[in-house]
Amino acid sequence: GQNIDQPTEMTATEGAIVQINCTYQTSGFNGLFWYQQHAGEAPTFLSYNVLDGLEEKGRFSSFLSRSKGYSYLLLKELQMKDSASYLCAPIDSNYQLIWGAGTKLIIKP
Amino acid sequence: GAVVSQHPSRVICKSGTSVKIECRSLDFQATTMFWYRQFPKQSLMLMATSNEGSKATYEQGVEKDKFLINHASLTLSTLTVTSAHPEDSSFYICSAREGQVDYTFGSGTRLTVV
Repeated sequence: GQNIDQPTEMTATEGAIVQINCTYQTSGFNGLFWYQQHAGEAPTFLSYNVLDGLEEKGRFSSFLSRSKGYSYLLLKELQMKDSASYLCAPIDSNYQLIWGAGTKLIIKP
Repeated sequence: GAVVSQHPSRVICKSGTSVKIECRSLDFQATTMFWYRQFPKQSLMLMATSNEGSKATYEQGVEKDKFLINHASLTLSTLTVTSAHPEDSSFYICSAREGQVDYTFGSGTRLTVV
């Protein structure tokens, strides 16, 4: 079967760094997305990894290891507005996004 | 960048009535449209996948006669919730795909059935 595993909730302090881990099992693999979702809103795109390694984009970076079925999202210089759910979504062999429940990130002052 | 316009953003309807949700790709052709439903504190649940000009493919457990999907053109797809009931109250989101991995999400529709 297909499965996504992320922590349910994490708490971090404003200005700090947080790493959200994701392990996945899919039928085939065509890359992995990270999305941010604020309550009551649709997901917004953060990153896409298809090759192993680190992709850096401003305060956000995403890492992928295909052999380990593992990815992480690294958020630096945390701001209060970063409080949201973060969704790891790999793409299977049919080019379908596979969704987990996401990680709710709480930022404290 | 690519934009998908989803309307309405919020709708309240009476039990037994039907509601239509529209998703329109504004500056690209959406060869495939995905319709999701999301209950509070849960992940996105894929309801159906539609390709322009063909019938939608529904996920197991989703009633195709209740959730009518039309994808008549490359820029417009609609989801109609027929005979809505309170348990259909949820957040509905469309996602348009251009190519293989270019996904663009609509802004979502909050449906409340009273």
